Amino acid sequence: LAKTTQPISMDSYEGQEVNITCSHNNIATNDYITWYQQFPSQGPRFIIQGYKTKVTNEVASLFIPADRKSSTLSLPRVSLSDTAVYYCLVGDRGGANNLFFGTGTRLTVIP
Amino acid sequence: EAGVTQFPSHSVIEKGQTVTLRCDPISGHDNLYWYRRVMGKEIKFLLHFVKESKQDESGMPNNRFLAERTGGTYSTLKVQPAELEDSGVYFCASSQEEWGRETQYFGPGTRLLVL
Repeated sequence: LAKTTQPISMDSYEGQEVNITCSHNNIATNDYITWYQQFPSQGPRFIIQGYKTKVTNEVASLFIPADRKSSTLSLPRVSLSDTAVYYCLVGDRGGANNLFFGTGTRLTVIP
Repeated sequence: EAGVTQFPSHSVIEKGQTVTLRCDPISGHDNLYWYRRVMGKEIKFLLHFVKESKQDESGMPNNRFLAERTGGTYSTLKVQPAELEDSGVYFCASSQEEWGRETQYFGPGTRLLVL
């Protein structure tokens, strides 16, 4: 079971780029890396998913080094509305029993 | 397209009572998942349906919890009898394909408080 380790919390000023790093030393060959965002009183929301190298979408970028033992979620120019908990998950295609949320990183964006 | 919906949004019951939570997945999604976060803990997987069949129920805490998905559409999660430690937020998620190949879409959750 590939578990993840993330910083418990981070603060950032509006307009800055935020990088949240996640460690997953026991990641398996078939595991994908997925990041979710959760606002208070809402369910987690998918942000981005990748397997290796770099993935970018309209919301964020995901950087995965060659050994895949860590990954970095990059949020460009954060705004107050990006204040949320960000979860890094790893899991394979075998089913949700490998979906481990961990504690997540609570990002607070400061004006 | 409507997202995953859950009912009720909140439920307050007394210890020993029964509560039934409902989840309506996104239309066409064969995979339905239940999760929960009890007070101060992480979100934990409970079980996974593929259509009406239970694919994996390894996360169900005990036999007081019963999940069903008759007809492969909506799902219910019944807690009977409820205990104090069952308090928390229960999330439902759905996906078209099994996780890893496609993201799961989460509902807003049902907040359960057992007194």
